Amino acid sequence: DVKVTQSSRYLVKRTGEKVFLECVQDMDHENMFWYRQDPGLGLRLIYFSYDVKMKEKGDIPEGYSVSREKKERFSLILESASTNQTSMYLCASLRQPLYNSPLHFGNGTRLTVT
Amino acid sequence: AQSVTQPDIHITVSEGASLELRCNYSYGATPYLFWYVQSPGQGLQLLLKYFSGDTLVQGIKGFEAEFKRSQSSFNLRKPSVHWSDAAEYFCAVAHNNNDMRFGAGTRLTVKP
Repeated sequence: DVKVTQSSRYLVKRTGEKVFLECVQDMDHENMFWYRQDPGLGLRLIYFSYDVKMKEKGDIPEGYSVSREKKERFSLILESASTNQTSMYLCASLRQPLYNSPLHFGNGTRLTVT
Repeated sequence: AQSVTQPDIHITVSEGASLELRCNYSYGATPYLFWYVQSPGQGLQLLLKYFSGDTLVQGIKGFEAEFKRSQSSFNLRKPSVHWSDAAEYFCAVAHNNNDMRFGAGTRLTVKP
């Protein structure tokens, strides 16, 4: 079974802090994604990556950056956390070609910025 | 900009009634289309997907969806809803082989 592991289930940070959210998948998937989920807004794509060191902006990249130095790990970085970044963050991975398998999600990290 | 639109934020149906959840997408070419379901406190589960071929696709839990190119739609249907179907439903689209974008979701309430 594919496992996507997010390092923290709950996180509380202060405004202005640099925050790292880590995601590791164990099935050699090429594609990895970071979403944030907010009530009424669904899942919004922050960044995605289709290969090591490759990254693409999603719909809401402002205030975020990502790192993919190894195939299994995709990190989301909040350069200077703000209260409007309080949200549920979901990491997902996918094997190419994408029509052969579903997205596999981590359990999510609920981040609160105070 | 959102490329997937789910016009209904919340739908309530009676148990045993039929269900249709709407989804519209805005890509020019034929995209890859998906429906996911998220039960309260749970992760997202894939219900069904469309890539090509037959425009009516069958999924798990008795769900089906129909791709209509002329309407840029991919609506989800179920002939008879069960109380356990109460959840949030997300339509998703991938316009190439790399990204995946979701709609805002439709919350389904099932009345006894």
